Amino acid sequence: EAGVAQSPRYKIIEKRQSVAFWCNPISGHATLYWYQQILGQGPKLLIQFQNNGVVDDSQLPKDRFSAERLKGVDSTLKIQPAKLEDSAVYLCASSLYPDTQYFGPGTRLTVL
Amino acid sequence: AQKVTQAQTEISVVEKEDVTLDCVYETRDTTYYLFWYKQPPSGELVFLIRRNSFDEQNEISGRYSWNFQKSTSSFNFTITASQVVDSAVYFCALLNTGNQFYFGTGTSLTVIP
Repeated sequence: EAGVAQSPRYKIIEKRQSVAFWCNPISGHATLYWYQQILGQGPKLLIQFQNNGVVDDSQLPKDRFSAERLKGVDSTLKIQPAKLEDSAVYLCASSLYPDTQYFGPGTRLTVL
Repeated sequence: AQKVTQAQTEISVVEKEDVTLDCVYETRDTTYYLFWYKQPPSGELVFLIRRNSFDEQNEISGRYSWNFQKSTSSFNFTITASQVVDSAVYFCALLNTGNQFYFGTGTSLTVIP
């Protein structure tokens, strides 16, 4: 069974530029999560989808971050414009229902 | 309030030593799940174990064992005869009745050859 796929694996951008990350969950998993993990810290939930509906986006900085999950499968997370403090690893995870989460390899973002 | 505390920030052990990673959680829910994840230097979070609140039976999987005690709200993880490949950051997590996940801050384990 294929795991959670994410791309790109690494991204370097200048501040004020925009960036997008892509996630393809495990087939059949209805729940999808985006996390931000700053170096030395635990993952922080940004947004949780159940199929293509948003369940929790209370910690998503909506002035610059957006996410969508069209058709309840793939998802994209966008940052526009990026700030220095957005440098982090962005993790995508999926689960069959809110239960054990399986994580992708992450995208390491560096904002210069 | 829901919370997961991993008081040990960093631990170093010599290879073949046993090591226990502590996890203390806080929740008012009667139904919840507890998890341990491993994050090796490559960065991907790897699922290790899931426990529901009604199952306090300890579990052993190879060199790994988990001790769940509701009386002390703890879910500790022991690695027996540690190996260099065990070097990683380990996260404890709680899933509550409201389907919200809470991660601890992680314990960085270094196994010295």
